[in-house]
Amino acid sequence: AQTVTQSQPEMSVQEAETVTLSCTYDTSENNYYLFWYKQPPSRQMILVIRQEAYKQQNATENRFSVNFQKAAKSFSLKISDSQLGDTAMYFCAFIAGGSEKLVFGKGTKLTVNP
Amino acid sequence: EAGVAQSPRYKIIEKRQSVAFWCNPISGHATLYWYQQILGQGPKLLIQFQNNGVVDDSQLPKDRFSAERLKGVDSTLKIQPAKLEDSAVYLCASSWGPGAEAFFGQGTRLTVV
Repeated sequence: AQTVTQSQPEMSVQEAETVTLSCTYDTSENNYYLFWYKQPPSRQMILVIRQEAYKQQNATENRFSVNFQKAAKSFSLKISDSQLGDTAMYFCAFIAGGSEKLVFGKGTKLTVNP
Repeated sequence: EAGVAQSPRYKIIEKRQSVAFWCNPISGHATLYWYQQILGQGPKLLIQFQNNGVVDDSQLPKDRFSAERLKGVDSTLKIQPAKLEDSAVYLCASSWGPGAEAFFGQGTRLTVV
C-alpha cells in the first residue's frame, strides 16, 4: 500500500527566513508523481508544487522548491523568504501510476511569525 | 475557467438522518475524488472516479456511504444514516487524469449532532 508520512505536525518560522518541511513515502512503483498542497485557514486546498518521479531535476516554483531523493523516498519542501501568507497546513501527496489513488499525508501546520 | 463547485457549504443534521453532497468538477476533467477531512487531519480518500467508473472505493464505508457520478460529470455523495463520527469536511476534487494537478472545491462542512 502507498503511504505518505509527514513527521512534523507543526513548525514555525520568522518572516523572510527559510523553512523545510519533510515528507517520506513508500511505494514499490517506479512511475509516480509527488505533490505539495497548501490549505490556508478556512480556504480551499491549492497546489504548491509537483514533481514527476522520472525527472531527476528538482521542481521549483518561485520561492518554493523541493529536494527529491528517489532512493531515500524523500520529498521535502523548502520555502524561501517566508511570508505571512504562507501560514497554512501543508500536505504532501502521492499518486502512483499503478494504483492511481491520490494519497495525502497528515499535514504540517506552518506558522510564519512577523 | 470555473473551479470545482460544491454544495452545500455547511450542513448540520442529527444522527441517523441522511445527507447528500453535490460536486460539479471542472469541465473536461475525467478524474473526480471525494475526500473526508476530519479537523486537524489529512484528507482521506473515500472514492475516486475515472469518467463514470470507480477507480477506488476501498475506504468508503459502504454500509452507509454511497456515491455516483452521473454521465461522467457531476457527482453526489450520500450518507445514510449519519453517525457522530461522520462530522468532517467533505472535499471534492477533479483533475485531467492521474498524475495531473487536482483542483479542490471549498468543501462541505458536515456537523452531526
